[in-house]
Amino acid sequence: NAGVMQNPRHLVRRRGQEARLRCSPMKGHSHVYWYRQLPEEGLKFMVYLQKENIIDESGMPKERFSAEFPKEGPSILRIQQVVRGDSAAYFCASSPALENTEAFFGQGTRLTVV
Amino acid sequence: DQQVKQNSPSLSVQEGRISILNCDYTNSMFDYFLWYKKYPAEGPTFLISISSIKDKNEDGRFTVFLNKSAKHLSLHIVPSQPGDSAVYFCAASADSNYQLIWGAGTKLIIKP
Repeated sequence: NAGVMQNPRHLVRRRGQEARLRCSPMKGHSHVYWYRQLPEEGLKFMVYLQKENIIDESGMPKERFSAEFPKEGPSILRIQQVVRGDSAAYFCASSPALENTEAFFGQGTRLTVV
Repeated sequence: DQQVKQNSPSLSVQEGRISILNCDYTNSMFDYFLWYKKYPAEGPTFLISISSIKDKNEDGRFTVFLNKSAKHLSLHIVPSQPGDSAVYFCAASADSNYQLIWGAGTKLIIKP
């Protein structure tokens, strides 16, 4: 899973600042998924994107959160005006196709809001 | 509303013995199940999967069993090795839906 690159690995933000998390999928993968893991919980689906398209953002909080996957460059998960409750590990995964297949995960970005 | 439940937060097993991790689900539409393994500070790694048309899938030391009537699946690791110490997540999806629904994980500790 080293092929999915996330950066930064650790991000500290003060309340009210913006957080930008980046994800470069594995080569040849056009599907990107973002998950959030709160302490002591499993991963929760946030959003599914293909190049230049948001396919499903049903897991995204309605406000302050947005995601994109441009034609060129990495996928970005953006959190505006961060609050303490946003502190979590954010994982990106990519897959080559929609059918049931394992997704490959990045190492995650641990966001801490102080 | 937890659709995928891993009721044991942790499990301790002697090296060389069998580790059995359990997972229950409530959504009868789930037709594909996966187990992922996660080490601290790393992303989850795919381990093994099973489709609802099967009741068993084996890959080396890892075997997944699916009991559809009980809505229960289990992961067997035999023999358990120290490197198996990790958090194991059960995940499920329905009808080729890309959304994986995840359990909360079970921390497996292999004792020497």
